[in-house]
Amino acid sequence: KNQVEQSPQSLIILEGKNCTLQCNYTVSPFSNLRWYKQDTGRGPVSLTIMTFSENTKSNGRYTATLDADTKQSSLHITASQLSDSASYICVVSAGYQKVTFGTGTKLQVIP
Amino acid sequence: NAGVTQTPKFRVLKTGQSMTLLCAQDMNHEYMYWYRQDPGMGLRLIHYSVGEGTTAKGEVPDGYNVSRLKKQNFLLGLESAAPSQTSVYFCASSYSPFSGGDQPQHFGDGTRLSIL
Repeated sequence: KNQVEQSPQSLIILEGKNCTLQCNYTVSPFSNLRWYKQDTGRGPVSLTIMTFSENTKSNGRYTATLDADTKQSSLHITASQLSDSASYICVVSAGYQKVTFGTGTKLQVIP
Repeated sequence: NAGVTQTPKFRVLKTGQSMTLLCAQDMNHEYMYWYRQDPGMGLRLIHYSVGEGTTAKGEVPDGYNVSRLKKQNFLLGLESAAPSQTSVYFCASSYSPFSGGDQPQHFGDGTRLSIL
């Protein structure tokens, strides 16, 4: 069964600090991996999309890494801001329209 | 630039009632999706469409029906609502299949549905 596990479930950090969120998956065959940001009461918004051949992809202060051998991905947030408070969802695709969503990491940035 | 618009935003139903959720996108996307999001679970695909006039079942289709009569609209219907269908429903659209390519899915802001 395809699974996507994210850790930690929740995280509190001080404004200006860095943090790293983890995503482990057992999806096969692998097509691509996406990170989404979901603000409270809003729909998810795409941050990065990575295919099998990509190791790193950045979007401003967000940097995602992918290790296809160990089936792990991470999302690093640099110099956090209050507006980074949200849930971050890892999504892995395995073939046509076969997509598995993680349950997300809830990040709270405090002043 | 509206993107994906869902109506209504909130709704309370009684068990056995029916209703239709509307999703509209203005990006000329071929692919449209309906998901449900429940506490402690990842989003789950209910139905999807790969173009006008087409629909297909996703992971959790039971109790729901969909229609895509126009390219820009994707409707989700609950024929006889049950408390287990209490959830937040998200519509999404994309240029290419979610599973392939490098184009993102664009999500609406959800419909919060409670079934009493």
